[in-house]
Parts: sequence; structure tokens; C-alpha cells
Amino acid sequence: AQSVAQPEDQVNVAEGNPLTVKCTYSVSGNPYLFWYVQYPNRGLQFLLKYITGDNLVKGSYGFEAEFNKSQTSFHLKKPSALVSDSALYFCAVRRAGSYQLTFGKGTKLSVIP
Amino acid sequence: DVKVTQSSRYLVKRTGEKVFLECVQDMDHENMFWYRQDPGLGLRLIYFSYDVKMKEKGDIPEGYSVSREKKERFSLILESASTNQTSMYLCASSFLGTQGNEQFFGPGTRLTVL
Repeated sequence: AQSVAQPEDQVNVAEGNPLTVKCTYSVSGNPYLFWYVQYPNRGLQFLLKYITGDNLVKGSYGFEAEFNKSQTSFHLKKPSALVSDSALYFCAVRRAGSYQLTFGKGTKLSVIP
Repeated sequence: DVKVTQSSRYLVKRTGEKVFLECVQDMDHENMFWYRQDPGLGLRLIYFSYDVKMKEKGDIPEGYSVSREKKERFSLILESASTNQTSMYLCASSFLGTQGNEQFFGPGTRLTVL
């Protein structure tokens, strides 16, 4: 079985400040980890993924995430938040060898001007 | 760019009706997926397909069926719609395999069953 936890339903951050959206996972074997963003009334857009290699992954729109195997975490970060980053963010995990992607419940990010 | 399109953005149906949701992708992806998205529950996988005429149940297949007659098209069928199937339905596709291929999503269909 595999699961994802996003412990915060909502994160508020002031524009220009760094942001972090938290994600922890549980999976047997090697994990493939993903972050997606969803703007209102839209589908999900892929941001970044961790497959193997460097624990720090860089993605679209200045976002990055750090894979921490010992803490089973994959937190999403950005050094300086923009109002346009306000959206719903989903973390997802897939076990190596599986087709199925399991999503967290999502975290609503609000960047305050 | 990968494009995944869904036949309707908004759909209103009555209880007991048969409902078809269509999804088409233009990137020659082997894998296709149907999810439903509900507030506070995230995305839950209904069915997926890794080849034409092949399908696998996801976490919540009850009340749904699927059809994949052509590689680019994956249909979700609600045989007899019920009010608890009111939801946002998202289609996705990806390249073959169980490696780290990301999924590409369509814009979603918001279905209301009255």
C-alpha cells in the first residue's frame, strides 16, 4: 500500500516570503514522488518529480522540492512567493513497479499581497 | 505540448441516466487514467488502462465502467448516475511503464447529478 499525507489544508504566506508546502509519504520499495498544482476550475499541472539521484529537485515556476528518505518527506519550496502562486497543490507517490499514483488531499496556498 | 481534452467542462444529468465522459490525448501515450476529485479527499483513481482494450480497477471503481477502443481515447461510463457521483472528473495520460513518467491532465468535467 502507498499513501501521502499533506498535513496542512491551507498555507498562508506574504508575497516575497519563502513558502513551504509539506508532504510525507509511505510506500514499500523505492518511491517516485511528484508535485502538481491546480488553478481554479482547471486540471492539474505537473511541477516537478523525484525519481532518483540528487535529493533537491528543481521544477517549473521557480519551485523546488527536497527528498528526505529518512523522514519520508518531499516538501515543496519556493524562495520568494508570488500572488500568482495561489492555488491548490497536490503531492503524489508511486511505488516503483506500480502504475498507480496516489495523491494527497491537497494544500491550498494563499499568497497575500 | 501534451494535450488532453475532455468532452465537456460542465455536465448536468438526472438520476438514473447513462453518462459518458470522453477523454482524448494527442501524445501517443499508452497509459490513461480516470480520477474523481472531491473537496477534502484529493484525487481518487477510478480506472486506468495501459493499452487498447485493457483496463484495471483503481480504488473506487464501483458504479463506473470504462472503454478504450482506440489508443488516444478513454471513456468513463456511469451506467446509472446517482447523486453521490456528483464530482469533478479528471482524465490523465502518460507514457508506458511504471517508471517515473508524469501524468498529464485534462481540464476536468464537473458533473452534477440531480
